[in-house]
Amino acid sequence: DTAVSQTPKYLVTQMGNDKSIKCEQNLGHDTMYWYKQDSKKFLKIMFSYNNKELIINETVPNRFSPKSPDKAHLNLHINSLELGDSAVYFCASSPRRGGHYNEQFFGPGTRLTVL
Amino acid sequence: EDQVTQSPEALRLQEGESSSLNCSYTVSGLRGLFWYRQDPGKGPEFLFTLYSAGEEKEKERLKATLTKKESFLHITAPKPEDSATYLCAVQAGTGFQKLVFGTGTRLLVSP
Repeated sequence: DTAVSQTPKYLVTQMGNDKSIKCEQNLGHDTMYWYKQDSKKFLKIMFSYNNKELIINETVPNRFSPKSPDKAHLNLHINSLELGDSAVYFCASSPRRGGHYNEQFFGPGTRLTVL
Repeated sequence: EDQVTQSPEALRLQEGESSSLNCSYTVSGLRGLFWYRQDPGKGPEFLFTLYSAGEEKEKERLKATLTKKESFLHITAPKPEDSATYLCAVQAGTGFQKLVFGTGTRLLVSP
């Protein structure tokens, strides 16, 4: 009964490669997100999709391209990986209820290491 | 720009020794303040949402409070299993549910 799942959990790759991370949520939420957590544990939003539409794009290099094939899935593709891309990437989802901005539920994270 | 500052950076407590974590924020139009717990190697786990000054929420040994400038997470009689990093985040303005996080407080509770 996993709520937000990500694959893979670990990803080790060489500089210059292209890689993808997949995210799925079975909570029926409308909105999904990608966050990056750096080595100092600071969590920063990258992208958000609402009903498959991109609504937040936070000054992220265009080597990063999110794709949402449907409401339950949000994937992150990264081209030409650089050393500085090494981090933990978290997917999250949230419901829309009434006028309140609601809590986000996070996946287990994908630790990306670029060598 | 919206800012969230958490203190202390790290806190070491003995089991049963109550304390508080602080989250101060500077935002334009607070929509919600969120507390999360993060264990090593895991994703943040949602704890509380607070929407307006004066609001309080409780869950087991944890109690979150909110003023116009800051939030406190009070931990009463903590146990070793409460050891984790506690993250505070805010939603502000008209952003589509964007969360701005603080850098967290690492809590270690010793038996």
